[in-house]
Amino acid sequence: AQSVTQLDSHVSVSEGTPVLLRCNYSSSYSPSLFWYVQHPNKGLQLLLKYTSAATLVKGINGFEAEFKKSETSFHLTKPSAHMSDAAEYFCVVSESSGAGSYQLTFGKGTKLSVIP
Amino acid sequence: DVKVTQSSRYLVKRTGEKVFLECVQDMDHENMFWYRQDPGLGLRLIYFSYDVKMKEKGDIPEGYSVSREKKERFSLILESASTNQTSMYLCASKREERYTGELFFGEGSRLTVL
Repeated sequence: AQSVTQLDSHVSVSEGTPVLLRCNYSSSYSPSLFWYVQHPNKGLQLLLKYTSAATLVKGINGFEAEFKKSETSFHLTKPSAHMSDAAEYFCVVSESSGAGSYQLTFGKGTKLSVIP
Repeated sequence: DVKVTQSSRYLVKRTGEKVFLECVQDMDHENMFWYRQDPGLGLRLIYFSYDVKMKEKGDIPEGYSVSREKKERFSLILESASTNQTSMYLCASKREERYTGELFFGEGSRLTVL
């Protein structure tokens, strides 16, 4: 069975400082991993995804994440936070559930606040 | 661009009322999903559908039903709304089940049951 743990429910950073949102997963097989962002009163939007190619994945708006199999982690980073990055972020793992189908498991989310 | 449209952004209903939440996608995706989002609980899957007239229960189907009569439309039905169904409901679509690609989400329907 797969699971996702987002280690911080809330992260607060100052504008212009680095962002680190932590995600650990457990999976029986080779998973695909995603980060989604949700701005207030909006749906979720894909930031980036890892699907067994390069372990360092670049996404939109300057975000990137590194897949570390030995640490079962997929942390999201950005060198310099912008006010528009204030949102909730979800880490998602996708794993084959057999017969060609996939099961998605969402983390509980990390709310990012950016202080001017 | 893929567009997933949820017809009602905000609804207020009374306990016992029947509630319909509609979702339409315009990219011919095979798979459609209904999630419920609550603070501190993340997203929980209610039902999903991988084809017209097909449906599968998710993690929390109790108190809900769904309908998929056309490929582009997936409806969530609360037969008799209760206060514990006050929540944000998110619809999503994805290409075929065998594709571990991204979900495309609507903007959500915030339901309040009084």
